[in-house]
Amino acid sequence: QVPLQESGPGLVKPSETLSLTCAVSGGSIGSSYWWSWVRQSPGKGLEWIGEIYHSGSTNYNPSLKSRVTMSLDKSKNQFFLKLTSVTAADTAVYYCARSSTSCYTCFQQWGQGTLVTVSS
Amino acid sequence: DIQMTQSPSSLSAFVGDRVTITCRASQSISGYLHWYQQKPGKAPKLLIYAASSLHSGVPSKFSGSGSGTDFTLTISSLQPEDFATYYCQQTYNTPLTFGGGTNVEIK
Repeated sequence: QVPLQESGPGLVKPSETLSLTCAVSGGSIGSSYWWSWVRQSPGKGLEWIGEIYHSGSTNYNPSLKSRVTMSLDKSKNQFFLKLTSVTAADTAVYYCARSSTSCYTCFQQWGQGTLVTVSS
Repeated sequence: DIQMTQSPSSLSAFVGDRVTITCRASQSISGYLHWYQQKPGKAPKLLIYAASSLHSGVPSKFSGSGSGTDFTLTISSLQPEDFATYYCQQTYNTPLTFGGGTNVEIK
């Protein structure tokens, strides 16, 4: 059982909205963790998109803030990413990750990642 | 934003070599510095958290040090499975930021 598992469309058209789900297993999303999204463009480094706490409190990267919304569903043990008005520059592998204050908010667990391509 | 600068961006080493990667923050981040290993096609894996604490299950050949703005990751004896890209990350302030990565290759 994979602790974190991303899912969503692998292909999104330019100007549309990218929507991803991260399913959490082996623990409750209501626990005191921060739940993050990170992306990696092909051949590039890692970019933090934002995070959501179990209370629903969020922090977003200012570079994406105007286009990002994160939410969670405790009943389904899932959290979500929506990124609006996508362009080819949003093509990337998207990871969800869990961080804890017990390790100075390090990213203890990562999903396996899902590739999202923005193309018409 | 806090900028994280890793050096070198790539290195070639022999099996058995001792390897050191450095990471410099654009401002003090106390000990809020973590190291990850990423292999091609895989998600990053946590190696070191809080600058010098070894994550559970990570071999003791990995070690970290530093505080403030300057940090290092050391691999004491490089093995074939250690050839990968290594990233540092600061979680002192949002936006959380990563270094550009260090690609460790076989010489």
